Amino acid sequence: DVKVTQSSRYLVKRTGEKVFLECVQDMDHENMFWYRQDPGLGLRLIYFSYDVKMKEKGDIPEGYSVSREKKERFSLILESASTNQTSMYLCASSSRVSNQPQHFGDGTRLSIL
Amino acid sequence: AQRVTQPEKLLSVFKGAPVELKCNYSYSGSPELFWYVQYSRQRLQLLLRHISRESIKGFTADLNKGETSFHLKKPFAQEEDSAMYYCALSGHPKNTDKLIFGTGTRLQVFP
Repeated sequence: DVKVTQSSRYLVKRTGEKVFLECVQDMDHENMFWYRQDPGLGLRLIYFSYDVKMKEKGDIPEGYSVSREKKERFSLILESASTNQTSMYLCASSSRVSNQPQHFGDGTRLSIL
Repeated sequence: AQRVTQPEKLLSVFKGAPVELKCNYSYSGSPELFWYVQYSRQRLQLLLRHISRESIKGFTADLNKGETSFHLKKPFAQEEDSAMYYCALSGHPKNTDKLIFGTGTRLQVFP
């Protein structure tokens, strides 16, 4: 069974801090994704990656960056956290075989104070 | 522009009643459509996809290209169906792996 693991379930940080959210998958998937989930807005794609060291902007990349140095790991970075980045963050992975479903982690609930 | 619309934020029914969660999409090509579900305190997971044409947990969804809809249906709701449901579209011109999600519908099934 596919396992997508996010390093923290809950995280509290202060405004201006640099924040790292880590995601690891164990199925050798080529594709990895970071979303934020907000009530009434659904899931919005922040960044995604199709391969090691490769990244593409999603719909709301402002204020975020990502890193994919190894195939199994995809990190989301908040360069200078702000209160409007308080949200639930979901990581997902999928195989490059066309239209395979995405597999999600448990999510990280991030609060910026 | 590609878009997925779920017009209902909340749908409340009693146990045993029929359920229909609406999903409409906007896409110029041939879309792949999915329903994802998130039960309380669980991760988001795939419920079904239109190319599989299967019934999962009693739910079915038919792609209607004429009406650009992919509504999720179940004839008799159960309390354990209470969850958040997201409709999603795959069909990005450059890469079909990217999903576009709707805003979600929360289904509440009362005993």
